[in-house]
Amino acid sequence: GAGVSQSPSNKVTEKGKDVELRCDPISGHTALYWYRQSLGQGLEFLIYFQGNSAPDKSGLPSDRFSAERTGGSVSTLTIQRTQQEDSAVYLCASSTQAGTEGYTFGSGTRLTVV
Amino acid sequence: GQNIDQPTEMTATEGAIVQINCTYQTSGFNGLFWYQQHAGEAPTFLSYNVLDGLEEKGRFSSFLSRSKGYSYLLLKELQMKDSASYLCAVEGGGNKLTFGTGTQLKVEL
Repeated sequence: GAGVSQSPSNKVTEKGKDVELRCDPISGHTALYWYRQSLGQGLEFLIYFQGNSAPDKSGLPSDRFSAERTGGSVSTLTIQRTQQEDSAVYLCASSTQAGTEGYTFGSGTRLTVV
Repeated sequence: GQNIDQPTEMTATEGAIVQINCTYQTSGFNGLFWYQQHAGEAPTFLSYNVLDGLEEKGRFSSFLSRSKGYSYLLLKELQMKDSASYLCAVEGGGNKLTFGTGTQLKVEL
């Protein structure tokens, strides 16, 4: 597609439930990133996929968070046993391998845990 | 570790010039990016600096000094639509961006 597509745009879930967030990057972009942005905070790195290399998971805040990227394209971020502190906007971005044109971000998924 | 500092808020007048500063201390440096983010929207790419000096792109310019760990974003001929958060981000080791918390710019009449 023309841009990075994320779904759902909004998700309200009960504490303790699992959620899945989806990201469809720009076709041909080999790099895919997940960030989260809490109210009034900067973007916090979560995980990075580059081609067929092992992902950089160094930003995942706990083992409740996981992500996969199938076929080098679509990615899913899964949060198990959600907690209220997981409430944030989850942003996905993709870029070319060189990355000099910057990331293209999706519109994000606003997750609210009640 | 990674540390990026920028002012929290700035206010400027329509038609004026504003400079938003960013200082960084990072392990590794592969480039510095500036993004614009309007409330409730995704960040959009503005500029990229990897060598020292000024990069100009229309009303927006970005400057980098690697030896000082310093960058600024210069916005000329300010318009009301420029009211947004401006994010400084550094690509260090590992090919991922570390973002500052952003500078909220308010443009007034």
